[in-house]
Amino acid sequence: DAGVIQSPRHEVTEMGQEVTLRCKPISGHDYLFWYRQTMMRGLELLIYFNNNVPIDDSGMPEDRFSAKMPNASFSTLKIQPSEPRDSAVYFCASSFPRPGNTIYFGEGSWLTVV
Amino acid sequence: GQQVMQIPQYQHVQEGEDFTTYCNSSTTLSNIQWYKQRPGGHPVFLIQLVKSGEVKKQKRLTFQFGEAKKNSSLHITATQTTDVGTYFCAKNTDKLIFGTGTRLQVFP
Repeated sequence: DAGVIQSPRHEVTEMGQEVTLRCKPISGHDYLFWYRQTMMRGLELLIYFNNNVPIDDSGMPEDRFSAKMPNASFSTLKIQPSEPRDSAVYFCASSFPRPGNTIYFGEGSWLTVV
Repeated sequence: GQQVMQIPQYQHVQEGEDFTTYCNSSTTLSNIQWYKQRPGGHPVFLIQLVKSGEVKKQKRLTFQFGEAKKNSSLHITATQTTDVGTYFCAKNTDKLIFGTGTRLQVFP
């Protein structure tokens, strides 16, 4: 079975450019999560969706970040404009209905902003 | 902040030595999950603990949930080089909040 699929796997972009990260959750999973991982801050939950609806976006750093889930099989995380401090690994994850279920992570999108 | 505290932050051991990481929360947890992330990889689910005082084993790994459900531990007996990675606990409410992680390095 296909797991959570993320693209791109790696991206290097210049400061000020728009970055769009994409995620396809596991089919049938109702919950989708976006996490950011850095050495300094560890694994941070940015936002999560339930049935395509954003439930909690309190972890989104600032207005430069936005996330959408137009349908059950696709989500995007957009950064506009990007800054060097946004450099991190961005993970998408999905799970069956909460609470207590395992979440499955994608391979991550490694973003470098120069 | 969001995170759950884990100690130690780093641990270097000789292959064959034991390893333990501890996870602490200031609030009572309904349950706790443990994940492992290999270098360059993504977090992978290991186990979930629900009951007070619960102990679960997976081969050389022993997971424990505290009686007060505010702390948890992961113990690895006789570490191997394949155990290298970062181990995270995660508290599970309406969303999964990860601990700060313990990075394990095993020297052959």
